[in-house]
Amino acid sequence: NAGVTQTPKFQVLKTGQSMTLQCAQDMNHNSMYWYRQDPGMGLRLIYYSASEGTTDKGEVPNGYNVSRLNKREFSLRLESAAPSQTSVYFCASARDGTYEQYFGPGTRLTVT
Amino acid sequence: GEDVEQSLFLSVREGDSSVINCTYTDSSSTYLYWYKQEPGAGLQLLTYIFSNMDMKQDQRLTVLLNKKDKHLSLRIADTQTGDSAIYFCAIPFTGGGNKLTFGTGTQLKVEL
Repeated sequence: NAGVTQTPKFQVLKTGQSMTLQCAQDMNHNSMYWYRQDPGMGLRLIYYSASEGTTDKGEVPNGYNVSRLNKREFSLRLESAAPSQTSVYFCASARDGTYEQYFGPGTRLTVT
Repeated sequence: GEDVEQSLFLSVREGDSSVINCTYTDSSSTYLYWYKQEPGAGLQLLTYIFSNMDMKQDQRLTVLLNKKDKHLSLRIADTQTGDSAIYFCAIPFTGGGNKLTFGTGTQLKVEL
């Protein structure tokens, strides 16, 4: 039981490049989330998926797109990376019927 | 949505008690959470309290809730160097959806 896994762990991009961050969970949770973590700002929600086939914008969705490929997988895409997207990105899923979220180990992204 | 505030830093000596505070502007009647983030890792659920409780004790951890003042605190007794981490409070989002609003995080440093 791996919980929530994320790939890659580290990534460096040049401005304008694109990439997809992958996330998968094996806990059969319906709800999944993408956050970014910046110093002094806590976690900010980028996108949220309540179930397979549905996605909703969070607090900071600009510059990002998501895909809920199936119940297990929720990917985050940066179409044209900008230095302001340098951050640590976390994926999480929530146990059904609760607000308890379980986090992946994070992806550390640097955009130069 | 709501604002969730925490002080950014706390430094204590090993063996002392640590108290991490959190204030919020709104909350539904449900659970309130504390998460711990160790260096280079994702967030781990540490403990929680149901909104109809004033206090919950779990080994070295004590959670206090003052609903009138919208104040949540986490006390760690006999603080150890392994407790050095960032601690986040998380409050259910009142604007709909199965979401949490995270505080800014408090970095706890335990000195020998």
